[in-house]
Amino acid sequence: AQTVTQSQPEMSVQEAETVTLSCTYDTSESDYYLFWYKQPPSRQMILVIRQEAYKQQNATENRFSVNFQKAAKSFSLKISDSQLGDAAMYFCAYRSAKGGATNKLIFGTGTLLAVQP
Amino acid sequence: DSGVTQTPKHLITATGQRVTLRCSPRSGDLSVYWYQQSLDQGLQFLIQYYNGEERAKGNILERFSAQQFPDLHSELNLSSLELGDSALYFCASSTQYRALGTGELFFGEGSRLTVL
Repeated sequence: AQTVTQSQPEMSVQEAETVTLSCTYDTSESDYYLFWYKQPPSRQMILVIRQEAYKQQNATENRFSVNFQKAAKSFSLKISDSQLGDAAMYFCAYRSAKGGATNKLIFGTGTLLAVQP
Repeated sequence: DSGVTQTPKHLITATGQRVTLRCSPRSGDLSVYWYQQSLDQGLQFLIQYYNGEERAKGNILERFSAQQFPDLHSELNLSSLELGDSALYFCASSTQYRALGTGELFFGEGSRLTVL
């Protein structure tokens, strides 16, 4: 069974600085998706960034980028120029692509990010 | 707006009672997923339906059940409620067509259940 591990329960960053959140996963599959979801105090689940395993290029979405190391099964999220609105719980998630696009998401336990003004 | 609608947004009930949570997926999505998030916890997968059929089951209690109707909306039924069932229940949907999608699940805003 696949698992997702986030080893940092809490992180803190100064406004305008850069922070990296760690995520490792375990799978025997070669075709899958990886995601980072943000959950602000409103508790809504918001997709931050996605990565398809067969794509070697690291995904980037504005101030958010990932470092995808497939062999090491590592998927870290880098937030540049941190803003107060980035304060939230961040979840790393894995989704198998086996059989198409009908598989569940498996979440890590989350990293609570605080942004200091 | 994710396109996934959940009702009710908030629900307060007593132990031993039964409640039903409702979810309407995005237009065209056949897959519906239910997740439970207890206070300060991660998201635990409960159950998935695909075009009316149960597709996958997670750590769902026997007191809980779900179904997906012909119009593709889904309901999660929670019975004999206990204090520990207090949680945020999320519904999510996704396209079944890999070529058309991005692989992500689209989440509703959740139903917050409080059991007193």
